[in-house]
Amino acid sequence: GAVVSQHPSWVICKSGTSVKIECRSLDFQATTMFWYRQFPKQSLMLMATSNEGSKATYEQGVEKDKFLINHASLTLSTLTVTSAHPEDSSFYICSAPDAGTGTYEQYFGPGTRLTVT
Amino acid sequence: QKEVEQNSGPLSVPEGAIASLNCTYSDRGSQSFFWYRQYSGKSPELIMSIYSNGDKEDGRFTAQLNKASQYVSLLIRDSQPSDSATYLCAGRGAAGNKLTFGGGTRVLVKP
Repeated sequence: GAVVSQHPSWVICKSGTSVKIECRSLDFQATTMFWYRQFPKQSLMLMATSNEGSKATYEQGVEKDKFLINHASLTLSTLTVTSAHPEDSSFYICSAPDAGTGTYEQYFGPGTRLTVT
Repeated sequence: QKEVEQNSGPLSVPEGAIASLNCTYSDRGSQSFFWYRQYSGKSPELIMSIYSNGDKEDGRFTAQLNKASQYVSLLIRDSQPSDSATYLCAGRGAAGNKLTFGGGTRVLVKP
């Protein structure tokens, strides 16, 4: 299957600072990527759809000014958590569909564990 | 609200037995379905995809799709302790690539 990477795998930051998370498709191009958040013992929650060359589409209830998404190339999307607070501590996971296969199977990155102190 | 529903479990299965997981969906326009396995603390891993009615087999896994009943299932044969994980069912709608996930079924395979 296709490979998606994320960096960093974990990060600890102080309240009020910003954190950037990168998501890369390593062996395919992705015009669309998805950002999810997952709290302990809960299911995935889709935050936003990242679109290459255009604005991201945010799910209802997700603050677009707090979670900045940039999809600058066909292999890279970034999520910046601005002015992070302890309640933003979570597991952030990106995914990308490999449209080239025609199956649109989505592959997930390994995730980034964010802890805000 | 387009939904995908799964029994949260845990589904306890003896080693070597068949684990049967079920999933129902409300969006009749859904085109394709996916089963993901997620170990605790890890991201989901794609194990099966299915697009047309019937069965699809891959190794110890068999996915079944019945669009008339809006029902998807996953069978895990010869269950192993390493199969203990949460299994997520997801459907893709008619437009776009966005997936709708169920809440997941936790499977425990006991030696």
